[in-house]
Amino acid sequence: AQSVAQPEDQVNVAEGNPLTVKCTYSVSGNPYLFWYVQYPNRGLQFLLKYITGDNLVKGSYGFEAEFNKSQTSFHLKKPSALVSDSALYFCAVRDIKGKLIFGQGTELSVKP
Amino acid sequence: GAVVSQHPSRVICKSGTSVKIECRSLDFQATTMFWYRQFPKKSLMLMATSNEGSKATYEQGVEKDKFLINHASLTLSTLTVTSAHPEDSSFYICSARAGIFRGRDEYEQYFGPGTRLTVT
Repeated sequence: AQSVAQPEDQVNVAEGNPLTVKCTYSVSGNPYLFWYVQYPNRGLQFLLKYITGDNLVKGSYGFEAEFNKSQTSFHLKKPSALVSDSALYFCAVRDIKGKLIFGQGTELSVKP
Repeated sequence: GAVVSQHPSRVICKSGTSVKIECRSLDFQATTMFWYRQFPKKSLMLMATSNEGSKATYEQGVEKDKFLINHASLTLSTLTVTSAHPEDSSFYICSARAGIFRGRDEYEQYFGPGTRLTVT
């Protein structure tokens, strides 16, 4: 069965520092991987996805993610965090039926 | 980009009443819509998948008689919570998939802004 795991419930970063939000996956076949961000009382906003091609995927708001097949990881990164990046982040994998399976979410807190 | 709306954005209802939540794809036709439930600071739990013109497919453990889903057109799906109880209070999010009409990633899902349901 397809699954994703986000090992950290919360990540704290100082503004201006690089941030990483971790995600590992377990799939059979080629993975279709996604990152979404959710602000309080809002729906999910798409950040980026990996389907095929370059392992480094660039997305919205300066975020990027690196697909690592050997480590089955798809960590989300940003070189310089902003206070406005504080939100809930979800990693997801698409299963063979086209459904999205979400990780448990990681709350990112960026302090000034 | 593809826009999905939900109405209402928040609703308060009394125990025992029913409440309907609408999910609309505004600028594309959605062959498939998904309904999720989310508890505070928790992940999204897929409740059901609805395809236009056919019965919804519910995930294990979701009561189909309690959470009625109708996908009557290619731009509208509704979720009706029947005989609501306080434990049904939650954040409900829909998403829509364009399928072959969109002309690109046919499996990409576009999410609505969510509906906060509070049952008193």
